[in-house]
Amino acid sequence: TQTVSQSDAHVTVFEGDSVELRCNYSYGGSIYLSWYIQHHGHGLQFLLKYYSGNPVVQGVNGFEAEFSKSDSSFHLRKASVHWSDSAVYFCAVSANTGYQNFYFGKGTSLTVIP
Amino acid sequence: EAAVTQSPRNKVAVTGGKVTLSCNQTNNHNNMYWYRQDTGHGLRLIHYSYGAGSTEKGDIPDGYKASRPSQENFSLILELATPSQTSVYFCASGDLGVSYEQYFGPGTRLTVL
Repeated sequence: TQTVSQSDAHVTVFEGDSVELRCNYSYGGSIYLSWYIQHHGHGLQFLLKYYSGNPVVQGVNGFEAEFSKSDSSFHLRKASVHWSDSAVYFCAVSANTGYQNFYFGKGTSLTVIP
Repeated sequence: EAAVTQSPRNKVAVTGGKVTLSCNQTNNHNNMYWYRQDTGHGLRLIHYSYGAGSTEKGDIPDGYKASRPSQENFSLILELATPSQTSVYFCASGDLGVSYEQYFGPGTRLTVL
């Protein structure tokens, strides 16, 4: 069974600050890791994903994430946040097998103070 | 861009009643999913489908049925709704063997009284 842990339920920063949202997973096999964003009252939207290669992947709107096999982590970062980045962020893992489903973390709510 | 729509967007049902939530996708994805989202639990998979005619149980299938009559449509059925099924339900589609991305609908807020 795969598990995804997002240790911070809430993060609050000021506009222009940098932010890191943490994600740790447990799974021994080959996996896809991804991040999704959910604005209030809307469905989730894909931000970025990692499977192999360069451990730092770029997403939309200046987001990037770094994969670490040794730490079993896939943390999301942004160098300078904007108030519109306020949303809930979900980390997800999917095994590269025939069971093609995602397991989502519980989400981190990011609040950016203007 | 993938388009996933859900209907209704809001629903109030009575305990013991039947509820059908509908989902339509126009991107010709093989896989479709139903999740529920509750505070403190994140997203939990109820049922999914690999294509027309197929339905599979997810992590929390009890009390729910699913139907995939076509590539585009995937329904979630609550035969006997209970207050514990009050939640926000999301439908998603994707071709995980190709892109490993999911496209989500806007959600349906279901309240069972």
